[in-house]
Amino acid sequence: GNSVTQMEGPVTLSEEAFLTINCTYTATGYPSLFWYVQYPGEGLQLLLKATKADDKGSNKGFEATYRKETTSFHLEKGSVQVSDSAVYFCALSAKETSGSRLTFGEGTQLTVNP
Amino acid sequence: DTAVSQTPKYLVTQMGNDKSIKCEQNLGHDTMYWYKQDSKKFLKIMFSYNNKELIINETVPNRFSPKSPDKAHLNLHINSLELGDSAVYFCASSYDRALDSPLHFGNGTRLTVT
Repeated sequence: GNSVTQMEGPVTLSEEAFLTINCTYTATGYPSLFWYVQYPGEGLQLLLKATKADDKGSNKGFEATYRKETTSFHLEKGSVQVSDSAVYFCALSAKETSGSRLTFGEGTQLTVNP
Repeated sequence: DTAVSQTPKYLVTQMGNDKSIKCEQNLGHDTMYWYKQDSKKFLKIMFSYNNKELIINETVPNRFSPKSPDKAHLNLHINSLELGDSAVYFCASSYDRALDSPLHFGNGTRLTVT
């Protein structure tokens, strides 16, 4: 079946540090890939997405590139801010008999200290 | 304007009771979902409806019954609540069932069963 594996957290960084959160996936066919972010006490929000190989999704300084050869979609940001503290979820959407379904990774808690 | 709204935000109840969570979206989306997030932040899909038709029904106890009176509403009724039902329940919607159609989440309902 389809699955998503994220690097284990929690991740703690200082402000302006470089961020990488690893994500690899297993899927049949050609999934779409997403990163969602969950701020404390809120629901998930779409951060970025990529729908085909070599696509790069970007938003708010975050980037991720759809790498089919390594089945990866790592999230990066060059300089994190305290306001980036949240839980980050990698997800894939792949076709199943009943239509597409979003499968989430386990989530990675990021804390950015001033 | 809130796009996906859930009520109540918090729900504390005793074992054996029956409770409902309501969800409404004003985005004009065709597809709605219920997800359960456990204490470790892991997200698992429970149900999905497309234009009021049930399309995804995961392995969920039949004490959980979704109801979609129209495509803008998807309610969740839970009978005979158990301690293990304690979690945060998220409603979500998407434009359609396409692979690249992102989900829009509500802010969650934190259910505590005592």
